[in-house]
Amino acid sequence: QLQLQESGPGLVKPSETLSLTCTVSGDSMTSGNYYWDWIRQSPGKGLEWIGNIYNSGTTYYNPSLKSRVAISLDSSKNQISLKMSSVTAADTAVYYCARRQQWPSYSDHWGQGTQVTVSS
Amino acid sequence: EILMTQSPATLSVSPGERVTLSCRASQSVSRNVAWYQQKPGQAPRLLIYDRSTRATGIPARFSGSGSATDSTLTISSLQSEDFAVYYCQQYNDWPLYTFGQGTKLEIK
Repeated sequence: QLQLQESGPGLVKPSETLSLTCTVSGDSMTSGNYYWDWIRQSPGKGLEWIGNIYNSGTTYYNPSLKSRVAISLDSSKNQISLKMSSVTAADTAVYYCARRQQWPSYSDHWGQGTQVTVSS
Repeated sequence: EILMTQSPATLSVSPGERVTLSCRASQSVSRNVAWYQQKPGQAPRLLIYDRSTRATGIPARFSGSGSATDSTLTISSLQSEDFAVYYCQQYNDWPLYTFGQGTKLEIK
């Protein structure tokens, strides 16, 4: 059974870099034609796609966040990582990782999410 | 960016009722629409993809329909476990998929 688990600091100071990890268990991340997404949810902006990475390492980012975001894949650990720089209070949200089918491109497995608060 | 607008924001219904949730796209998204259910403290759960295909394990009381810009999720007979927030999502504008703001189903 595929499971995704996000982890990382729950509190980040303004202007610093947010770093999260998503660990996948139950299958190898590189065994199929999947994308691995980061999505966040906040009361103000709802569900917002941040970006994703394919098992080849190719990445795609939301244009609105592209300048501040980097996603990477560590296949040896079955993990993906998210780094978001220069955070502000507007980046406070629950952050999810999810598996996306290549096509049709829906997300069929999600992690439970991790709350990140940006505050001094 | 394709905007997805859901209506209504909140719907008060009784168990056993039939309910229809709407989602309008700001431009054509073909059949590339999914619906998700989210309960408090949980991640979204996939219900429907390709506008009308039920995901694995989803009960037949959930169905999807619509056109290139207007999608509908119908729950034929509401069960107690169906009270939740429902989101539509378009993936036509790959990879930038966007979600609606959600419709909350609450008990009348």
